[in-house]
Amino acid sequence: EDQVTQSPEALRLQEGESSSLNCSYTVSGLRGLFWYRQDPGKGPEFLFTLYSAGEEKEKERLKATLTKKESFLHITAPKPEDSATYLCAGGTSYGKLTFGQGTILTVHP
Amino acid sequence: NAGVTQTPKFQVLKTGQSMTLQCAQDMNHNSMYWYRQDPGMGLRLIYYSASEGTTDKGEVPNGYNVSRLNKREFSLRLESAAPSQTSVYFCASSNRGQGNSPLHFGNGTRLTVT
Repeated sequence: EDQVTQSPEALRLQEGESSSLNCSYTVSGLRGLFWYRQDPGKGPEFLFTLYSAGEEKEKERLKATLTKKESFLHITAPKPEDSATYLCAGGTSYGKLTFGQGTILTVHP
Repeated sequence: NAGVTQTPKFQVLKTGQSMTLQCAQDMNHNSMYWYRQDPGMGLRLIYYSASEGTTDKGEVPNGYNVSRLNKREFSLRLESAAPSQTSVYFCASSNRGQGNSPLHFGNGTRLTVT
């Protein structure tokens, strides 16, 4: 059975305090590893897709990386507006997508 | 610039009542999906439509039906609502299958069944 596990469940940071979110996966036939951001009361918003181990993608203060077992979302010098729930999901070539339960990030000014 | 639009935003039903959740996308995507999101359970796929004219069950289809009305619209129907269907429902669309391309989500329908 495919599984995606995110840690920690919740993370509190001070503004400017860099950290990483973890996404461990066991997905048979992984085609893509997706990261989403979800704000309260909103739907998830797509951030990144990673397709192969060693790949990295960046967007503003966020950088996503992928290994054969994990993905990390690195947040450099976060700001309060980065506060959100971050979701990762593993997708297979036959169309199945398995979501993790998310990490709730709170950045205090 | 609307993306994926869901209606209604909020709904309260009594046990046994029926309702239809509406979803429309304006991105010319082939595939559309219905998910539910519950605390501690993550996002779970209810039904999906890989292309116009086709629908398939997802992980938690019991108690639901869907209709792919045309390429733009995909509705979810609860025939006889139960308290276990209290949840936030998200519609999503993608250009290709959900394992291969990112999903674009609506902002959800918050459903309470009493």
